[in-house]
Amino acid sequence: AQKVTQAQTEISVVEKEDVTLDCVYETRDTTYYLFWYKQPPSGELVFLIRRNSFDEQNEISGRYSWNFQKSTSSFNFTITASQVVDSAVYFCALSEPDTGRRALTFGSGTRLQVQP
Amino acid sequence: AAGVIQSPRHLIKEKRETATLKCYPIPRHDTVYWYQQGPGQDPQFLISFYEKMQSDKGSIPDRFSAQQFSDYHSELNMSSLELGDSALYFCASSSQTGEVEQYFGPGTRLTVT
Repeated sequence: AQKVTQAQTEISVVEKEDVTLDCVYETRDTTYYLFWYKQPPSGELVFLIRRNSFDEQNEISGRYSWNFQKSTSSFNFTITASQVVDSAVYFCALSEPDTGRRALTFGSGTRLQVQP
Repeated sequence: AAGVIQSPRHLIKEKRETATLKCYPIPRHDTVYWYQQGPGQDPQFLISFYEKMQSDKGSIPDRFSAQQFSDYHSELNMSSLELGDSALYFCASSSQTGEVEQYFGPGTRLTVT
């Protein structure tokens, strides 16, 4: 069965610090998708990034970057030069479309507090 | 760009009452998902529909039912409400032939008293 683990419950940083959010996943499928979503205090869930299981290329998008390593089943997310507006709960999620499970399995979330 | 629309945004019901939540997906998205997020919890998948047919089922109680209509909007019907049903209910939509990421609506906050 699929499982997503976010070991960091809460992280507090000072503005302009870099912060990395960890995510470890379990799946038996060879084809799967990994996602990061942001949930600010207002409550909505905002899609941030997606990575396919067959593409381990790591990328940078603005202040966001991610490190996908199949060998360790990890999909870590880094925010560079954090800002107060980055304060939110961040969820890592997994879907396995080949087995019909397109629904997202979420981790328990990491609450990020960015202090001014 | 058009987003997922959910109504109502807030709903207060008493125990044993019924509630209906509505979801209007992003245009041209063919799949709708419902999730329930309890206080301090991660979202839990309830049920999904693809082209108006139920495509997958998660931890949806028997007291809940849902359907997708010909215009692709979806409704989640909840009966015999319990205090534990108080949560944020999200609808998300995606396209099975395009991008796989799900885009979420703003959620409906249901409070059962």
